[in-house]
Order: sequence, then C-alpha cells, then structure tokens
Amino acid sequence: NAGVTQTPKFQVLKTGQSMTLQCAQDMNHEYMSWYRQDPGMGLRLIHYSVGAGITDQGEVPNGYNVSRSTTEDFPLRLLSAAPSQTSVYFCASSSDLDTQYFGPGTRLTVL
Amino acid sequence: DQQVKQNSPSLSVQEGRISILNCDYTNSMFDYFLWYKKYPAEGPTFLISISSIKDKNEDGRFTVFLNKSAKHLSLHIVPSQPGDSAVYFCAASEMGGGSNYKLTFGKGTLLTVNP
Repeated sequence: NAGVTQTPKFQVLKTGQSMTLQCAQDMNHEYMSWYRQDPGMGLRLIHYSVGAGITDQGEVPNGYNVSRSTTEDFPLRLLSAAPSQTSVYFCASSSDLDTQYFGPGTRLTVL
Repeated sequence: DQQVKQNSPSLSVQEGRISILNCDYTNSMFDYFLWYKKYPAEGPTFLISISSIKDKNEDGRFTVFLNKSAKHLSLHIVPSQPGDSAVYFCAASEMGGGSNYKLTFGKGTLLTVNP
C-alpha cells in the first residue's frame, strides 16, 4: 500500500512550457485534490474531484487543468507555465469516512 | 480574506513542557477542523481532528480544543518532544456539506522543541 504517490519530485520549466504533474493513490478513495504551497502561505486548493469523470475548481484554479479518468489517477496540467506557478504542489486523497492523505509533493520552478 | 488564521508564525518550547498552537477562523459554515504536521520536503500528515459538535478531542499527547463561540481552536502537545519540531497547519472544512476533500488551511506555525 503506497498511499499517495506524486511524480516528478522536482521539475524546472521555462516560461510557456507545458507539463503534467502526476498523482496516483491505491486506497480506492473517491475524492482527490490538488493544493499548492507558497512560502509563508498555507496550502491552497487548486482543483478537486469527487469521483472519476467529475472535477471542480478550488480557490486558485487559473492556469491549471485536471481530469479524472480513473479512480486512482488525478493529473494536474500546466498548459503554459508562468513564474507565478513556481510552488510546491501536493496531491491528496480521501474518502467519506477518512481524512485527507497527502503525497510527498512536487517542487516546481518556472524560469 | 483569510478564513483560517494562525497568527503565530513560530513557537519555541523546552522539551517536556506544553506546546500550545492557536488557530482562529471566520467562516461560520466550517464544522470540521483538523491539524496537520509537516516536516521539510514531505507532505502534510494528519494529526488530530475535531467536529463542531465537540469541544475537546484527545489522542495521546495531543489534545485539540474548540471554542465555537469564539471561532477559536487550539492544539496542546504534552509533553513536547524534539521530534515534534515541525510546521503545524490548522485546516477547516464544511463536512456537513460533504466536503472533507476541500480543506482551507492556515499559514502554519513552526514549532521548535529544544532539548
């Protein structure tokens, strides 16, 4: 049982490049979420999903896309990276009767 | 507009003493509160939670107190240990709305426990 896994751990992009941050969970959780954490800030919700095929926006969704084709995976896409998206990204999953479990994070730098 | 506030960026205590971390919230719809602990280069890990129908919840050395009228909660760690040194995040959600997957976090408090 690996819990929540995220890849890559680190990534450096140039402005305008695109990339996908991967997130997978093996706990059969129906809910998955993406957060970003900036220095001196708490975690802020980007997008979330309540089940396969269902996603919705969180507090800071601009510049990010998500999709949920399976229960296990919830990738986060940056279509055109900007320096303001430099951050640490955390994926989390949960079920109705349980709290959120977080992955180890992806540290992204956009130059 | 911050809905969850942790006004102390840092706290330093001696090993064996009590650590008290505070959190205030403004959204009256919040009915479920959690504390997460985070070590550097790791994801947050769940520590303890409390529902708004309770005013206290204990788990070993950790106790969370909730004062709904003051919209205030606190985490007590007794006794504090050097391994407790980490950033502690307070978080809240509207569980009644079924949204335990949508957490609103405070900015965190860095706890340092000195040997």
